[in-house]
Formats: sequence, C-alpha cells, structure tokens
Amino acid sequence: DTEVTQTPKHLVMGMTNKKSLKCEQHMGHRAMYWYKQKAKKPPELMFVYSYEKLSINESVPSRFSPECPNSSLLNLHLHALQPEDSALYLCASSQVVRSGQPQHFGDGTRLSIL
Amino acid sequence: DAKTTQPPSMDCAEGRAANLPCNHSTISGNEYVYWYRQIHSQGPQYIIHGLKNNETNEMASLIITEDRKSSTLILPHATLRDTAVYYCIAGMDSNYQLIWGAGTKLIIKP
Repeated sequence: DTEVTQTPKHLVMGMTNKKSLKCEQHMGHRAMYWYKQKAKKPPELMFVYSYEKLSINESVPSRFSPECPNSSLLNLHLHALQPEDSALYLCASSQVVRSGQPQHFGDGTRLSIL
Repeated sequence: DAKTTQPPSMDCAEGRAANLPCNHSTISGNEYVYWYRQIHSQGPQYIIHGLKNNETNEMASLIITEDRKSSTLILPHATLRDTAVYYCIAGMDSNYQLIWGAGTKLIIKP
C-alpha cells in the first residue's frame, strides 16, 4: 500500500474537456512532484513543488497546470489535451528536495484522451 | 549525471535470494544509489538507497562496492509477488530528477 494517494485511478476525457488530477500525502513531506510515464518507459519529471512553491517546470505545455493548495495536496489541472498526452500520471513526495531524499510514488492516474 | 547498466531480465526461484546487479561506473562521490521497483499497473515503489555503506531494511539489502562503481540489490527470500521491473538509479540531475535506466525485469518462478 502506498502512502501517496492519487485520484481518480482512471480518467477518460475528450480534447475539449477540463479535468483535474489529485494527489495527497500525509507523511509531512515538503516536496511534491508530478511525473508522466508512457508504456514501457521510465517516468519523466514534469513539475516539482518545494514548500508549496513551484520550483521546477520541465518545459511542460501550458495545457498542464499544477497547483499546490497546501503541503499535503497537489493538483494537476488539464485542459485541451492531445491524444499523445495519454499516459500514466504519477505523483511523488519526499521530505525535501535534496539528494539522498527518496521519492515515494502513488499508483498514478491512467489518462486516456479521446 | 551518472548512467546505470542493468541486465534486461533475470529469473529466480521462489524462496531463493534474488541478486540484482547494477553498474554505475560514472557515479560521482556525492551521488546516491536508489533502487525502485514497478509492478505492472502500479507506481514505482521505493526499496532502498545508499551512498557508500551497505544498507538493509525490511525489504532488501544494498551492497555497494568500495569503489562505488557497482551495486547489488538482494531480496533475501523471493516470492511470486516480487516479480517486477527493478530500477537502479545513480543520482539525480540538476533539477533533482531521478536518472532512470532501462531496469531489470525480474521473474520469480514457483
């Protein structure tokens, strides 16, 4: 069982829809991450939040909009996605953003764009 | 950024120790070695990490060579539920992104 909870587990949406992915952790971690994973590939970093502030954006298109309402929650707002955005979206957290701090992952949201 | 080399696949009999090797010959002195595994349709699961010393937790042991150019993850008594892709990661890039390799697909056989 993972201590990082992501909802929903599956999401199917059209290219004109707006939806949000949610992530929650109660480990007291102050760093949270969004990753994208395509089939048979390792995860790719999208965003990093440190102490509720966006610290890293890996040149992600603006149709993905992250939000960190508080230290336990992380959202990813989706709008006007493309079929190639279909993937597994993973949330992770660590105590802080620092080498030697392992990241703990949720089980992801499997997103399909029609 | 250190790269890792792992065998693409390995088999192990249930109840035996599974020893997964990883080569990270370009690792720098302050980069940690992390091991994760990913079971189909689930997120990556953190297993263990270390810098120089060998480490052990309830899941596994990590043996790092003295020159830090390679390491071995040991699952002491493999079960069928340990079947997964195991990733060895040597360090992070400048954006604190874990540098994932291709991983080893470990199959535990009854």
